[in-house]
Amino acid sequence: QSALTQPRSVSGSPGQSVTISCTGTSSDVGGYNYVSWYQQHPGKAPKLMIYDVTKRPSGVPDRFSGSKSGNTASLTISGLQAEDEADYYCCSYAGRYIVLFGGGTKLTVL
Amino acid sequence: QVQLQESGPGLVKPSQTLSLTCTVSGGSISSGSYYWSWIRQPAGKGLEWIGRIYTSGSTNYNPSLKSRVTISVDTSKNQFSLKLSSVTAADAAVYYCARVALAEIFDWYFDLWGRGTLVTVSS
Repeated sequence: QSALTQPRSVSGSPGQSVTISCTGTSSDVGGYNYVSWYQQHPGKAPKLMIYDVTKRPSGVPDRFSGSKSGNTASLTISGLQAEDEADYYCCSYAGRYIVLFGGGTKLTVL
Repeated sequence: QVQLQESGPGLVKPSQTLSLTCTVSGGSISSGSYYWSWIRQPAGKGLEWIGRIYTSGSTNYNPSLKSRVTISVDTSKNQFSLKLSSVTAADAAVYYCARVALAEIFDWYFDLWGRGTLVTVSS
């Protein structure tokens, strides 16, 4: 199994919206509604932001939303804030009791 | 609240076995529908799932590491552990332990993470 494909970097200005894509195959992203997203600030542990494609854990701002179309999942951050600058990773169930992570996307808030 | 803390040697020699332990505090490792997992991140790179364990001892491993990985659990100590044999420089990474929330049999995600521990592989 190969890692899920994410853009290496995205950027946006405060207040704008950005979308990070996560492309897999019909055996992982496309085959299950079990995509999660994690935010990681430098030197810190990842934090769960989205699970089950669209669900937000308690405490995660509603500026963060998830979606999926075919083999591609997306994380959208609206109303960008400086503290959103971080690395973001997608993760999907890939069958046979394994999960795959994406390569990560660096979000820069201009 | 539940917290996870990794511990173990920060330096391992090539060909030797890496051993790490994750201590769960603030709650029982046996409570709730949770698996417990190890994930690693080489410097400047992305996350790689290593494997997971249930308190019954049931495990699942990343196929790319399966031949070298053993994850075990000690419920009496509220800990679970990772052993990775025959390490090389490619195994140098920050190793995280994480709690796996299990909503359905295939629906699992990492809802709580430890701070991570850096493991260097060098002679």
